Amino acid sequence: GNSVTQMEGPVTLSEEAFLTINCTYTATGYPSLFWYVQYPGEGLQLLLKATKADDKGSNKGFEATYRKETTSFHLEKGSVQVSDSAVYFCALRRRGGSEKLVFGKGTKLTVNP
Amino acid sequence: DVKVTQSSRYLVKRTGEKVFLECVQDMDHENMFWYRQDPGLGLRLIYFSYDVKMKEKGDIPEGYSVSREKKERFSLILESASTNQTSMYLCASIDRGHEQFFGPGTRLTVL
Repeated sequence: GNSVTQMEGPVTLSEEAFLTINCTYTATGYPSLFWYVQYPGEGLQLLLKATKADDKGSNKGFEATYRKETTSFHLEKGSVQVSDSAVYFCALRRRGGSEKLVFGKGTKLTVNP
Repeated sequence: DVKVTQSSRYLVKRTGEKVFLECVQDMDHENMFWYRQDPGLGLRLIYFSYDVKMKEKGDIPEGYSVSREKKERFSLILESASTNQTSMYLCASIDRGHEQFFGPGTRLTVL
């Protein structure tokens, strides 16, 4: 079946540090891949996405590249800010199927000043 | 801006009560979803609906039912609330091929 495995948290960094949150997936076919972010007290919002191999999604300084050969979609940011403190979810949607998303368990990031 | 609203941010109910969680979206989306979010478990799909009066079970439908009488509204029903249903409940909607838009969540406590 389809599944997403992401790095266990919590992750604590100092401001301006480099961030990587690992995400790997198992899926039939070629899914679309997503990173969602949940700020404290809010619902999830889409951070970035990639729909085919070698696509790079980017937004707000975050990037992730769809790597078919390693079935990965790692989230990176070169210099984190306190305002990036949130929970990050990796997700996939199977191509051609329903609109259902399969989520990872989430990684809580805390950035200290 | 797409807006998904949920009827309550916080709700406290007693064991055995019937609980209704309401979700409304304002963008004429066909697909709507109910998830529950628990620490260490991420988001798990309870039910989804791809059209009015149409519904499908997700991964954890036991103890829940849903209703979609109008396109914009998708209700989650706990027929007899239990303490293990204490959780954060998130509603989402999507138009085919686009991203899912989430509501702010309802934190339900069952005593």
